[in-house]
Amino acid sequence: DSGVTQTPKHLITATGQRVTLRCSPRSGDLSVYWYQQSLDQGLQFLIQYYNGEERAKGNILERFSAQQFPDLHSELNLSSLELGDSALYFCASSVDYWTSAYEQYFGPGTRLTVT
Amino acid sequence: GNSVTQMEGPVTLSEEAFLTINCTYTATGYPSLFWYVQYPGEGLQLLLKATKADDKGSNKGFEATYRKETTSFHLEKGSVQVSDSAVYFCALSDGDAGGTSYGKLTFGQGTILTVHP
Repeated sequence: DSGVTQTPKHLITATGQRVTLRCSPRSGDLSVYWYQQSLDQGLQFLIQYYNGEERAKGNILERFSAQQFPDLHSELNLSSLELGDSALYFCASSVDYWTSAYEQYFGPGTRLTVT
Repeated sequence: GNSVTQMEGPVTLSEEAFLTINCTYTATGYPSLFWYVQYPGEGLQLLLKATKADDKGSNKGFEATYRKETTSFHLEKGSVQVSDSAVYFCALSDGDAGGTSYGKLTFGQGTILTVHP
């Protein structure tokens, strides 16, 4: 158990809908990362937050957004869903990102199926 | 930009066989290198890491050496077990000359390993 929790575990929804994925980082970790794992794209970095502020953006679509709240949990919002958005979405956390305490710990993931 | 290339899988071995999974990378600066393992239905777990050239990461019998001259970080294990069956990912992050790593991870495509009794 990494200490990172993600809910829900599975999500099935229809095209055009909007969903919210939730992540709680390990206790004491200030940085949260979101990754998407799909068969055709592999594991790709989406976005990073540190202590409530966006720090880095990767291949995140404009239809997707995220935020990190004062209690440090994070939510990834996916809207106008398309079939191609079906994937496993991972959250990871780390203490920070600029020291040797950087190691990222991954949650179990949320499997999103868009029908 | 940064990129990681892993050997094509899947890899199928008998128990106690020797394992090598090749990984090469392209990056600017001083990346840190990682191997992550993903067991069925679970998230990724850090297996080992190396933050500077010539560093050797090791854990649970697995080893990998950071080779800057060949831009490689091959994963090896002398004697695999059935319980090692999983998907293995090579990854890198930005880093500095002092060995500190930071920022997002860039992953290879993953290698499926199946070990038979």
